[in-house]
Amino acid sequence: DAKTTQPNSMESNEEEPVHLPCNHSTISGTDYIHWYRQLPSQGPEYVIHGLTSNVNNRMASLAIAEDRKSSTLILHRATLRDAAVYYCILRDLKTSYDKVIFGPGTSLSVIP
Amino acid sequence: DGGITQSPKYLFRKEGQNVTLSCEQNLNHDAMYWYRQDPGQGLRLIYYSQIVNDFQKGDIAEGYSVSREKKESFPLTVTSAQKNPTAFYLCASSTGLANTGELFFGEGSRLTVL
Repeated sequence: DAKTTQPNSMESNEEEPVHLPCNHSTISGTDYIHWYRQLPSQGPEYVIHGLTSNVNNRMASLAIAEDRKSSTLILHRATLRDAAVYYCILRDLKTSYDKVIFGPGTSLSVIP
Repeated sequence: DGGITQSPKYLFRKEGQNVTLSCEQNLNHDAMYWYRQDPGQGLRLIYYSQIVNDFQKGDIAEGYSVSREKKESFPLTVTSAQKNPTAFYLCASSTGLANTGELFFGEGSRLTVL
């Protein structure tokens, strides 16, 4: 079973910020939080990842709760190209075999 | 350019036939993964491999087989034992423990059983 839970779908208006939540209440101390997004008929692409501190890159920001049991992917200004399915996953990079499990993700619709 | 290549992009199969999907990466990654995706669904893990000549079953391995004879190659065979093989198949590779653990995906192979 996926170790993360996300809302099935969300909507945003174009050029407005989007906050995509993810719950991971059973996260361990060595789990990294990764976000990917998938456009229709394509493979997922990496967006951002973090461990404890908030992270920023050119695509998005990642806000991690102090207890690490939840995180939020922030798209600062949604564009039509951001319409995709967003997946939040955990990766334990301390284990020899990392069984990477994806949940259903959040389908983001962007309204012009 | 470095990347991960899946082939074929589209594949049609008659019932009862085995088919093999190719996955090749030139990123020098140790770990490789196969996922299945059905319409409107998330990714489900079929098999994964951390090193050459070793692989582990994922959540839906029944009816599938893999091999990992070379670091850069991780082919998936969909056997006739797979009852509902029509799906979108995704291969991924990943950096290891010393790096970010970022997953790199291929463009996918869409299998249709006629």
